[in-house]
Amino acid sequence: EVQLVESGGGLVQPGGSLRLSCAASGLTVSSNYMTWVRQAPGKGLEWVSVIYSAGNGATTYYADSVRGRFTISRDNSKNTLYLQMNSLRAEDTALYYCARDRANAFDVWGQGTMVTVSS
Amino acid sequence: EIQMTQSPSSLSASVGDRITITCQASQDISTYLNWYQQKPGKAPKLLIYDASNLEAGVPSRFSGSGSGRDFTFIISSLQPEDVATYYCQQFDNRIYTFGPGTKVDIK
Repeated sequence: EVQLVESGGGLVQPGGSLRLSCAASGLTVSSNYMTWVRQAPGKGLEWVSVIYSAGNGATTYYADSVRGRFTISRDNSKNTLYLQMNSLRAEDTALYYCARDRANAFDVWGQGTMVTVSS
Repeated sequence: EIQMTQSPSSLSASVGDRITITCQASQDISTYLNWYQQKPGKAPKLLIYDASNLEAGVPSRFSGSGSGRDFTFIISSLQPEDVATYYCQQFDNRIYTFGPGTKVDIK
């Protein structure tokens, strides 16, 4: 069974940092395009970042709203995707999902991890 | 950056009704358009990819069509388990954008 499990969310003060993890089973993170999508409370979905497969240069892209503050990466030995979030703002408060990007469609999703930025 | 609009923002229909949701892109996106269903408290689920392709395991009452800027999502016979918010999503120039969503419930 293909499964993604996010962790690492929590309460952080504005300006702080947090690293989210997404542990994969049943799929190989390095062989897939992997993405992060977030959803603020009561709001819609917002794409955050994507990392291409190793075979496609592990290229990364970011939404304008997080570029320069967030970094997507992966640890192939742990089959885990990460999202390092720095300089956090109140507007980053959201449920963060990781997902597999299959030809630009997100076909496997985790259950999400909640990030709250507040003093 | 391409913007996506969806209409209606919400709808209420009876079991068995045919419902239609439209999604419009601010510029031509060919068929790079996907549809997701999100039930309350759950992660989104991919229903339709590349505008008109039904994801494996998704009931055939769901369908999608369109190309260019205008897209349509149809539930041919609304079922109680279809209560959810539906999102379109596009991909263009390494950026992904979701529509604002359409909330569907049962009358």
